Amino acid sequence: KAGVTQTPRYLIKTRGQQVTLSCSPISGHRSVSWYQQTPGQGLQFLFEYFSETQRNKGNFPGRFSGRQFSNSRSEMNVSTLELGDSALYLCASGVDSYTGELFFGEGSRLTVL
Amino acid sequence: AQSVTQLGSHVSVSEGALVLLRCNYSSSVPPYLFWYVQYPNQGLQLLLKYTSAATLVKGINGFEAEFKKSETSFHLTKPSAHMSDAAEYFCAVMGSGAGSYQLTFGKGTKLSVIP
Repeated sequence: KAGVTQTPRYLIKTRGQQVTLSCSPISGHRSVSWYQQTPGQGLQFLFEYFSETQRNKGNFPGRFSGRQFSNSRSEMNVSTLELGDSALYLCASGVDSYTGELFFGEGSRLTVL
Repeated sequence: AQSVTQLGSHVSVSEGALVLLRCNYSSSVPPYLFWYVQYPNQGLQLLLKYTSAATLVKGINGFEAEFKKSETSFHLTKPSAHMSDAAEYFCAVMGSGAGSYQLTFGKGTKLSVIP
C-alpha cells in the first residue's frame, strides 16, 4: 500500500513569491491534515480537510490556505512568502483524523530567501 | 486548551540501557494521547496510542507507555535501547471538544543511543 506522497520534497523561493505544495493521501483515506515543523516552534497544526471540507484551521495568517479535491488529494498554498515561512511542511492522512492515527508523508522542505 | 510538555530536549542512553522519555499533559477531559517518532529526513510514525481502554499501552518496536492520571503523565519506555532507536520522539494530545481534529505536539525529545 503506497504511503502519503508529498511533492515537491525540496524547494527554494524568495520573499514575496507564492508556493503550492501537494499531498496525495493513502488510498481510502478521506482526512488530510497539514502541519508546519520548525526548530523554534516545533510542530504546529495548519488545517484539516475531510471530504473536501475544511473542518479546522490552526492559528496561521490568511496567507496560508488549502483545499482538498474529490479524490482526497490536497494542496496548500502560501502567498507573499516571508523568511519565517521556511519550514518542513508535513501532510498526514487518516481514515478520520479524530482517531489521531495519522500517517505522515516525508514533507516538503521550503526555504525562503 | 490542551497541551503537552516533554521534559528534556535531548536524551542519551547506552545501547542496551533503559529508555525513558517523559511527557506530561494538561487536559480538562480524559485525553487521547500519542507518541510519534521521526527518523532523520522522514515524516512522523505512530508508535502508540492511549484511548482510555488500558493504562499500559504497548506499541511498535518494543516501546510502551503508561498513562497515570494522578500525575498527568504518559511516559514512554523501552527496556533495552537499540542503535536503530535513535530518532526524535513526540508526545501529542488530541484536541478537545467536538470537531477539533488536530493533534497538539510537544517540542520533541531527541534520543541518542551510544554504542
